[in-house]
Amino acid sequence: DTAVSQTPKYLVTQMGNDKSIKCEQNLGHDTMYWYKQDSKKFLKIMFSYNNKELIINETVPNRFSPKSPDKAHLNLHINSLELGDSAVYFCASSQGTSGTKTQYFGPGTRLLVL
Amino acid sequence: DAKTTQPNSMESNEEEPVHLPCNHSTISGTDYIHWYRQLPSQGPEYVIHGLTSNVNNRMASLAIAEDRKSSTLILHRATLRDAAVYYCILVDSSYKLIFGSGTRLLVRP
Repeated sequence: DTAVSQTPKYLVTQMGNDKSIKCEQNLGHDTMYWYKQDSKKFLKIMFSYNNKELIINETVPNRFSPKSPDKAHLNLHINSLELGDSAVYFCASSQGTSGTKTQYFGPGTRLLVL
Repeated sequence: DAKTTQPNSMESNEEEPVHLPCNHSTISGTDYIHWYRQLPSQGPEYVIHGLTSNVNNRMASLAIAEDRKSSTLILHRATLRDAAVYYCILVDSSYKLIFGSGTRLLVRP
């Protein structure tokens, strides 16, 4: 029944490793997002896909690569993990892209880089 | 950067109404005013949004000033489950949610 789900919930890894976070939504939405919440609790948008096409790409290191295999999934792959990548990553989805659209967020993936 | 200003924290007693203010003096005519909240260890959750008129839903009410430079989120009867960080966000045509630091609401039993 979960609308937006993320796996894994927790991820602990070493610096330099490559890891992926997966997101799935069962709401039938056509737009998905990745946000990062750092240790100071600021939430920042990273990427957005609409109908599998990248529409928002904020200033994010190119070690981060989103991939949308279909409208229901948006994965985030991170290469060469650094200590500063430690954060909570939230996936979200919406139907359409306008100021009236509500975004639905997943429970977050807590990434700790050692 | 966030285009809204909110108090860092507010306190309320359980069962009493709460008014959470937000200033957005640089709002443009097409910006929507959205409110989200984030409960501890959870993802943000939509609360309400509006453009010019006041709005009501099952969670809260949104009162928008006539000049749209400020708004107030009203929780009619706060419960312990309403303790969260509340974010006031202006959404423009880019439909990006730009979160500020929000207001941390503490509800006293």
